[in-house]
Amino acid sequence: GENVEQHPSTLSVQEGDSAVIKCTYSDSASNYFPWYKQELGKRPQLIIDIRSNVGEKKDQRIAVTLNKTAKHFSLHITETQPEDSAVYFCAAASSGYSTLTFGKGTMLLVSP
Amino acid sequence: NAGVMQNPRHLVRRRGQEARLRCSPMKGHSHVYWYRQLPEEGLKFMVYLQKENIIDESGMPKERFSAEFPKEGPSILRIQQVVRGDSAAYFCASSPQNTNNEQFFGPGTRLTVL
Repeated sequence: GENVEQHPSTLSVQEGDSAVIKCTYSDSASNYFPWYKQELGKRPQLIIDIRSNVGEKKDQRIAVTLNKTAKHFSLHITETQPEDSAVYFCAAASSGYSTLTFGKGTMLLVSP
Repeated sequence: NAGVMQNPRHLVRRRGQEARLRCSPMKGHSHVYWYRQLPEEGLKFMVYLQKENIIDESGMPKERFSAEFPKEGPSILRIQQVVRGDSAAYFCASSPQNTNNEQFFGPGTRLTVL
């Protein structure tokens, strides 16, 4: 089955800096890669996703890149703000198969 | 359009009791997924259901756990004879029939086993 590794487990940055979170996956058939943000005690919320026919996708301060050859994808947050502080999870899913396999999460702390 | 709803939000059970967790998907969504989240860990897939069918239960423990998604009513995750190790947050997610894999999560049920 699919295995998703996520690094780092914790990340501390100063407000205004950029943050990068990296994930690798094992199943070459995976073709859907969402990122979820989970604030303390809240539900995971989808913030951005990318499919295997695209190498990069951007939404305001958030961008995701995908390298299918190397089987890794990354989340980039620019101009970080304290409200970006949360746990971020990457995930992967295979074509025609809806089950998501999640990484273990990255706790991002943005200090004012 | 209400989001995914789960109840109860918090559930306390003593060892050996049964826990029933409910999930109502978003309107128009016919796919339901259950995940378990242990403290400071990621989300682990448990089971994937469509109306009246279990599609994938590869993440479900072999004993004591069961799930259903009847034609009418919410999806139910049932844990029999709970043990302390079952204490966790249980999230359900739903997606539309013509799924593009995007899943919307409910607020979760936090189960505590005393």
